[in-house]
Amino acid sequence: TQLLEQSPQFLSIQEGENLTVYCNSSSVFSSLQWYRQEPGEGPVLLVTVVTGGEVKKLKRLTFQFGDARKDSSLHITAAQPGDTGLYLCAGGSNFGNEKLTFGTGTRLTIIP
Amino acid sequence: KAGVTQTPRYLIKTRGQQVTLSCSPISGHRSVSWYQQTPGQGLQFLFEYFSETQRNKGNFPGRFSGRQFSNSRSEMNVSTLELGDSALYLCASSSFPLTDTQYFGPGTRLTVL
Repeated sequence: TQLLEQSPQFLSIQEGENLTVYCNSSSVFSSLQWYRQEPGEGPVLLVTVVTGGEVKKLKRLTFQFGDARKDSSLHITAAQPGDTGLYLCAGGSNFGNEKLTFGTGTRLTIIP
Repeated sequence: KAGVTQTPRYLIKTRGQQVTLSCSPISGHRSVSWYQQTPGQGLQFLFEYFSETQRNKGNFPGRFSGRQFSNSRSEMNVSTLELGDSALYLCASSSFPLTDTQYFGPGTRLTVL
């Protein structure tokens, strides 16, 4: 069974601070996606990384896929209240049986 | 394009009853996946349908079933409801395959009393 552990589980910081969320597994994934979910809505895709070591930037968000494709991180610079939400990583597997495994989630609260 | 729509948005049932949830994917999307989201277990994959065929299935009991129609709309059925089935049920659509970009609906909040 492929498991994706996210840390921290909860994070509450002041506006303007930086933060990093981690997504770790003992399994190799063919791709890694990050989603953000707001209350009352479904998750919305932020980014997909597919190459080991890949780094993608989306404005103040930086995503990195580990060299071994087992882990990923999301770094937010100068956090804003609009960044508040549940962040989910999801590992994609194309090894015989395609599936998407979601991480345990990180609930982020940015305090104005 | 209209997004993924799910009906109903909220549902209250009692133990032992059955329930059917509906999902309309984004126009042109042929893959529909269903997920269960709970505070304790997070987001767990139920099953995926593509062209009216179930392609993948998660580790859920047989009480959970689904189907897809020729217009790609999908329904999920849960029979003999248990208290632990209370959750947010999310539907996602994609062009193909399952690991392609998933577009999620707002979900159906099911409460079992």
